[in-house]
Amino acid sequence: GAGVSQSPSNKVTEKGKDVELRCDPISGHTALYWYRQSLGQGLEFLIYFQGNSAPDKSGLPSDRFSAERTGGSVSTLTIQRTQQEDSAVYLCASSLHRDRGDEKLFFGSGTQLSVL
Amino acid sequence: QQQVKQSPQSLIVQKGGIPIINCAYENTAFDYFPWYQQFPGKGPALLIAIRPDVSEKKEGRFTISFNKSAKQFSLHIMDSQPGDSATYFCAASMRYNFNKFYFGSGTKLNVKP
Repeated sequence: GAGVSQSPSNKVTEKGKDVELRCDPISGHTALYWYRQSLGQGLEFLIYFQGNSAPDKSGLPSDRFSAERTGGSVSTLTIQRTQQEDSAVYLCASSLHRDRGDEKLFFGSGTQLSVL
Repeated sequence: QQQVKQSPQSLIVQKGGIPIINCAYENTAFDYFPWYQQFPGKGPALLIAIRPDVSEKKEGRFTISFNKSAKQFSLHIMDSQPGDSATYFCAASMRYNFNKFYFGSGTKLNVKP
């Protein structure tokens, strides 16, 4: 596909369950971001991957959240022991990271997570 | 602490009007300011961006005005159309250090026919 693909598009889970959210970035994009968008709120940074560098995990809200990126491509965001406050749209974005002083993020359509 | 403050939260204009969305920041290290447009059910898409070495940038009907001394920037949409109805986010980052973008809280724009 030409764009960033996220799956599932919707996920309903029970409090306390673990969930995995998947992101397929645009081919060739070395940078990958996860953001969280809560209802009526802006985009909250979660984690950033760039090439083979150590990821920037400074935005992860708790140790229940983790993410990995395999082979420099697909990324999985895992939320353990989900809580109701985790309900949000989780957005993935990728970029080419050309070191030109600008950066264009390409976002997926997101995963709507609902924790009951 | 919110790094980028955006207002208004929502905006309604008539077709042909010029909606203006404002953002303010505190961190003087920010030097790249993009605007993203988001339609319902879709992810945000880059609309236009500016660097602080210019005071204005135009792309089609969209204009960013930048006031470095006031640490403020705004988006103007000329001759707005119903198809412009969307949520708009401003953001700030540091060039050459794009590990994170700081987004405003968003403005939901409704352009009435």
